[in-house]
Amino acid sequence: NAGVTQTPKFRILKIGQSMTLQCTQDMNHNYMYWYRQDPGMGLKLIYYSVGAGITDKGEVPNGYNVSRSTTEDFPLRLELAAPSQTSVYFCASAGADTQYFGPGTRLTVL
Amino acid sequence: AQTVTQSQPEMSVQEAETVTLSCTYDTSENNYYLFWYKQPPSRQMILVIRQEAYKQQNATENRFSVNFQKAAKSFSLKISDSQLGDTAMYFCAFPDYGGSQGNLIFGKGTKLSVKP
Repeated sequence: NAGVTQTPKFRILKIGQSMTLQCTQDMNHNYMYWYRQDPGMGLKLIYYSVGAGITDKGEVPNGYNVSRSTTEDFPLRLELAAPSQTSVYFCASAGADTQYFGPGTRLTVL
Repeated sequence: AQTVTQSQPEMSVQEAETVTLSCTYDTSENNYYLFWYKQPPSRQMILVIRQEAYKQQNATENRFSVNFQKAAKSFSLKISDSQLGDTAMYFCAFPDYGGSQGNLIFGKGTKLSVKP
């Protein structure tokens, strides 16, 4: 029972580079979310999706994009990475009013 | 606006003792859920316990229980017989019913250290 998986676990980017954070869930949940967690803080919502083909912005969407072509996958795209995007990124899916989180991706932008 | 407040940035407890972590929230909703998540040094966000507001009975999961006071908008987490593996950040979370679909609003967390 994999739940929510994320790849990669760690990544170092140079300023201006781009990358995609992968997220997959096997629980057939319609709702999926991307959060970021800065040091010493709680999580803040970047983007969310209520089903395949439907996405919307959260609290801190600038510098990111998402897509949802299938129920299982919800990738997060970083374009033109900036030092302010150094953070830990969590993907989550929700069923029965409860969110389940992936293990996170630690991203450093230098 | 809905808010979640954890007023204890850090706490410590001796192994086998009991500790209570505080959380208050503000909402105009009547039916809702509340959650406690644990984040150990591995950074995985692990669901500890959830409470449904329409249930008067406090939720319990093994050594973890809550004291839910709906009128006071208080949702504290009690950890009994603390173990070294309970050392972690603990986040109280509440769904943003007024905004994004089911998005969770997190408190700033309480860092709990269990000492041998």
